[in-house]
Amino acid sequence: DGGITQSPKYLFRKEGQNVTLSCEQNLNHDAMYWYRQDPGQGLRLIYYSQIVNDFQKGDIAEGYSVSREKKESFPLTVTSAQKNPTAFYLCASSIAVRGGQPQHFGDGTRLSIL
Amino acid sequence: KQEVTQIPAALSVPEGENLVLNCSFTDSAIYNLQWFRQDPGKGLTSLLLIQSSQREQTSGRLNASLDKSSGRSTLYIAASQPGDSATYLCAVRGETSYDKVIFGPGTSLSVIP
Repeated sequence: DGGITQSPKYLFRKEGQNVTLSCEQNLNHDAMYWYRQDPGQGLRLIYYSQIVNDFQKGDIAEGYSVSREKKESFPLTVTSAQKNPTAFYLCASSIAVRGGQPQHFGDGTRLSIL
Repeated sequence: KQEVTQIPAALSVPEGENLVLNCSFTDSAIYNLQWFRQDPGKGLTSLLLIQSSQREQTSGRLNASLDKSSGRSTLYIAASQPGDSATYLCAVRGETSYDKVIFGPGTSLSVIP
């Protein structure tokens, strides 16, 4: 079955530590996205990528970094510079950024502070 | 700047009732609007996508309408079932197909058996 796989499902971060969230898709989609979801708020865009080796900042990119070395993979690193990282992180993909195509979502990673 | 709101934040109804969920957006210049379902601790599942030129879309017991001029969309769920319990989010894409998607905060629905 085609889809998006996020791992791990739960992640804990210590003070001053960087952590990396994995996102893999086998939908052959060019575009991939990272969102952050906080209680009572809509999803907010962190980073997105239109194609391999390309990525753009979203609305809340500070304290986060990404890479897109392969079409299937778009890992997100939450750095120690992100002072309030506790949230639910969702990865999504679409055929392309253009065209208004619907986004398909993974099951998310919940990040908490130790 | 586009803002998307959903009222109420939570809704509880008895099984079998027909119900309407509301979504409002401040900028009527949108490309499309999408309704999603989110189960606890899970990602989003797309329910319906309405293009800006359309007035409504239907899928099974779900019907979504769009009134661009008033900045509103409604999701109608007929004959609700306990399995419909979830959070429902709407999301609008800006004026062009290239614009980013703005999500509402969602309405948490509980259908009581």
